[in-house]
Amino acid sequence: DTGVSQDPRHKITKRGQNVTFRCDPISEHNRLYWYRQTLGQGPEFLTYFQNEAQLEKSRLLSDRFSAERPKGSFSTLEIQRTEQGDSAMYLCASSPPTGGTYTGELFFGEGSRLTVL
Amino acid sequence: AQKITQTQPGMFVQEKEAVTLDCTYDTSDPSYGLFWYKQPSSGEMIFLIYQGSYDQQNATEGRYSLNFQKARKSANLVISASQLGDSAMYFCAMRGRPGTYKYIFGTGTRLKVLA
Repeated sequence: DTGVSQDPRHKITKRGQNVTFRCDPISEHNRLYWYRQTLGQGPEFLTYFQNEAQLEKSRLLSDRFSAERPKGSFSTLEIQRTEQGDSAMYLCASSPPTGGTYTGELFFGEGSRLTVL
Repeated sequence: AQKITQTQPGMFVQEKEAVTLDCTYDTSDPSYGLFWYKQPSSGEMIFLIYQGSYDQQNATEGRYSLNFQKARKSANLVISASQLGDSAMYFCAMRGRPGTYKYIFGTGTRLKVLA
């Protein structure tokens, strides 16, 4: 399967611990996005990379959150000193360069579900 | 600011019948894109259909069609001949003008197809 993959799929942690999620996008996709989805809500934008550059970051992304995409391939999202309010599904998506028949849809992974106790 | 509104938290439809899921949007950008995604219980968001703001015709993709009414700022999804596998959450989303990559999602509609 060559879709977007995320790891781990599920993470349970205690409040105050650090967690890291990894996302491997579709190989030819240069854009990568992180979204957060809480129960009963739609995905909320967190951040966006084009290649290795982080071009946009939501105000939702507090100082405890950091995302990287060091070589323009996989990305990591780290949450430091987790709080119960961080419990959510963290979705990664990627997209190819614009052009041709591509209409702009995002290609999502299955998400990483975080539970903070 | 851009906004997507989905006013139907849940919908039921009988198998083989058609169903319409509502979506209204708000934007001041003249150029934008509208998307519908399906999210089954597994969690993955699956792209269904796209409508560009300048497209003259309503988008269709198999059993999915998008009823685009620009003046009313609505982009309703129509699923024809519903199947049990269509039971899922459905999200309407909008992308702003080219060059922006912050897609905005609605709160979703949970669709249940009844046998």
